[in-house]
Formats: sequence, C-alpha cells, structure tokens
Amino acid sequence: GESVGLHLPTLSVQEGDNSIINCAYSNSASDYFIWYKQESGKGPQFIIDIRSNMDKRQGQRVTVLLNKTVKHLSLQIAATQPGDSAVYFCAEPRWRTSGSRLTFGEGTQLTVNP
Amino acid sequence: EPEVTQTPSHQVTQMGQEVILRCVPISNHLYFYWYRQILGQKVEFLVSFYNNEISEKSEIFDDQFSVERPDGSNFTLKIRSTKLEDSAMYFCASNLMSGGSKTQYFGPGTRLLVL
Repeated sequence: GESVGLHLPTLSVQEGDNSIINCAYSNSASDYFIWYKQESGKGPQFIIDIRSNMDKRQGQRVTVLLNKTVKHLSLQIAATQPGDSAVYFCAEPRWRTSGSRLTFGEGTQLTVNP
Repeated sequence: EPEVTQTPSHQVTQMGQEVILRCVPISNHLYFYWYRQILGQKVEFLVSFYNNEISEKSEIFDDQFSVERPDGSNFTLKIRSTKLEDSAMYFCASNLMSGGSKTQYFGPGTRLLVL
C-alpha cells in the first residue's frame, strides 16, 4: 500500500549545527506534505507545509525540500537549538471532498546536545 | 493565535466503562478529526467529520466509537465500552480547507488509561 515514512528513527546534533530530517513517500500522485513537531506528551505542532508544485519552501529557520523525481522530502533546521529536540513527522493528507485523513510516518527523534 | 483545545488532559477509567473526550476546534474551521497515538507508535487516523456527519473512518473506528458535534463549538469522541487496548493519547484536529491548505491543527491531546 501507499506509505510515507522517514529514513532514520533518531538524529543527534550539536547545538548550533544544521539538522536534516528525511522522508520518503510512495504515492507519485501525492500533492501536499506537512511537517509536524511533537514534543513529549504534547500534540503534533505544525511546522511547515509544501505543495507538489514547489521544490522548496522556507520558514523561520526551517526549509523543506521536495524532490518529486525520487519521491523524497527533507526538513532542514538551521542553527538547531535545544528547544528543537522533539520527534519530527512528515505527513501526507489523503484528500476527499469532505476532508482529508493524514498519514503519518514513523517519526525521527531529534536530540540537540548543548 | 487560535488553538484547538481538549479536555480532560488525562482520563483513567475501568475497562467496560464509557468515556467522552472533548475538543473545541478552531472557531472558523469546518473539518474535524480524531487521531490516536499508542505509546511509542505513530499517530493513527480514526475519523473525520464534516457538515455534521462522518466523512471517513478507519478500521480502528468500530461500533464502540462515536463522534458528535453537540453545539457550534464542541466536538466529542465517545468510547462506549473501553478496552485495555484503547489506552492511548487521543488527539483532536481541525482545518479550514480554504485556499487549498490541507494542514490540520492539533490539540494537546487526552491521555486515556484503561485499567
């Protein structure tokens, strides 16, 4: 079946370094992707989204890159801070006219070392 | 900034009891969802709700589950007879779907423990 998932379950970086979290998807018709951050005991928090007609989108300290050829997207976090420590999920909405269900990947646990 | 809110934050119940989890979606949103996350696992879709009816449900959402929008602000998930395996975090989410945005915004969750 169709899936969306991440490459690495854990990533450890030093404070101030840049982080790159990867995600692969299988459905070539996918047209929208969302990155969420989830801190321990909290709900998924929206970070950034991207439509399939874009290759890149930037936010505050974050950039998402989409490569439709290899069905891969990545989340780059610049100057990673301790507060960035969390689990990061990519998610894909499967849209119907009456709403969309999100399919989440397994998540990457990002640990930022001081 | 508008937020999705959920109550209670924690709920402990005995197996076989009914529980109702409550959510207040973002006020101008039109689409509402429930997800659950078993400890250590990924977030799983349960149900979506639009125009006062269920628009889609997963295989997890069996006859023991129901949803309701009793008034203009609340959105509830009821589990009629809880089982041990219902223990999980339950998240409510909502979105507006205007301008082509499909992003859903999540509440903080209710941690349900069934004993």
